[in-house]
Amino acid sequence: GAVVSQHPSWVICKSGTSVKIECRSLDFQATTMFWYRQFPKQSLMLMATSNEGSKATYEQGVEKDKFLINHASLTLSTLTVTSAHPEDSSFYICSARFTGEVLYEQYFGPGTRLTVT
Amino acid sequence: AQSVAQPEDQVNVAEGNPLTVKCTYSVSGNPYLFWYVQYPNRGLQFLLKYITGDNLVKGSYGFEAEFNKSQTSFHLKKPSALVSDSALYFCAVSASPSNTGKLIFGQGTTLQVKP
Repeated sequence: GAVVSQHPSWVICKSGTSVKIECRSLDFQATTMFWYRQFPKQSLMLMATSNEGSKATYEQGVEKDKFLINHASLTLSTLTVTSAHPEDSSFYICSARFTGEVLYEQYFGPGTRLTVT
Repeated sequence: AQSVAQPEDQVNVAEGNPLTVKCTYSVSGNPYLFWYVQYPNRGLQFLLKYITGDNLVKGSYGFEAEFNKSQTSFHLKKPSALVSDSALYFCAVSASPSNTGKLIFGQGTTLQVKP
């Protein structure tokens, strides 16, 4: 149980285009999902917290208009990188928590490798 | 502000030997501590957590961690390392998991187990 998937697993796009990444909780309902960014051999940087049915809460320094997050259902959150540039190339990872979670751990997706050319 | 430090970028150990990956934290209030492992080009896998109770926490794949409040540490240990344990390990802390659930991650420690 507690499986989180991401789609696509990797994507290459041209500079100036937009890319959407999906995060799904496959066998549980997640009121809260998190989006992280990871650079090579570095730690995870929290970008935003996404709650179902409400606006995402962005961390300081993360551009809301560039990284659009939607959490339309209890099993799906999407991250759209708008007008992508090469510096947006990174590994994006989502995580999810159970509805009414009391065990506190987050379950992570396998990540999406974005390369902007 | 919350923070997590993993003082070692890399830990090398021979297969069969015990391993320790260090983690110290800083948080106001009660800490909620986690260890995750990441294999290349993969997401994070949960290993274990400390919320309350016994200071020695046992987790997946034979790993355990000891919560030490006085030293603000939560070191990851395993009695006998396997080559397959080679991966990137992250310690994380949350000060309010029942509220926002935000995790703050350490910089990660690469564990290399040699046959």
